[in-house]
Amino acid sequence: QKEVEQNSGPLSVPEGAIASLNCTYSDRGSQSFFWYRQYSGKSPELIMFIYSNGDKEDGRFTAQLNKASQYVSLLIRDSQPSDSATYLCAVTFLIDKAAGNKLTFGGGTRVLVKP
Amino acid sequence: DTAVSQTPKYLVTQMGNDKSIKCEQNLGHDTMYWYKQDSKKFLKIMFSYNNKELIINETVPNRFSPKSPDKAHLNLHINSLELGDSAVYFCASSQGRGRLSSYEQYFGPGTRLTVT
Repeated sequence: QKEVEQNSGPLSVPEGAIASLNCTYSDRGSQSFFWYRQYSGKSPELIMFIYSNGDKEDGRFTAQLNKASQYVSLLIRDSQPSDSATYLCAVTFLIDKAAGNKLTFGGGTRVLVKP
Repeated sequence: DTAVSQTPKYLVTQMGNDKSIKCEQNLGHDTMYWYKQDSKKFLKIMFSYNNKELIINETVPNRFSPKSPDKAHLNLHINSLELGDSAVYFCASSQGRGRLSSYEQYFGPGTRLTVT
């Protein structure tokens, strides 16, 4: 069973602080990693992707990938109340050569940024 | 302008009825997906089509039948609706397969299905 695990939260963060979200996955062969943001009642929105070990920065977001330890994390710097949402980690798992990969989502971490 | 669109946005129906949800994408993507998000917010893949060919069919009751008339459209027909089918159904699309970036998926606004 291919799994993606996240702490459900809520992660409560003061405005201006750094929010740190973690995600672990079960398949050592996974190659593509994504972070989606989902506001209540809305659809998931892709905010970050990372394919190589290390850090990737985009604005206030930094994704970190450690394939040896099978975890991927997301840092949100200078957190704003508008960052309050559920953050979904998604990882590709190989089904077979014919079908290719499947994207599997974690249960999400709810983030609350308090003014 | 809308990249991935779904209709209807809301669907309220009684047990036993048959209903359809439609999805269209104008991103030029080759692959389309149906996901189900239940009340606990878990997002689970149901089906995936690549260039009108079914490539992923998860353990879904055969009351659910997807159809892809062309690579820009993916519809979902549900027969004999049950209470447990109540959820939000999301359509998504991505470029295709083969490259790492192929799995960047873009979601439609969702269809909230309520079965009474």
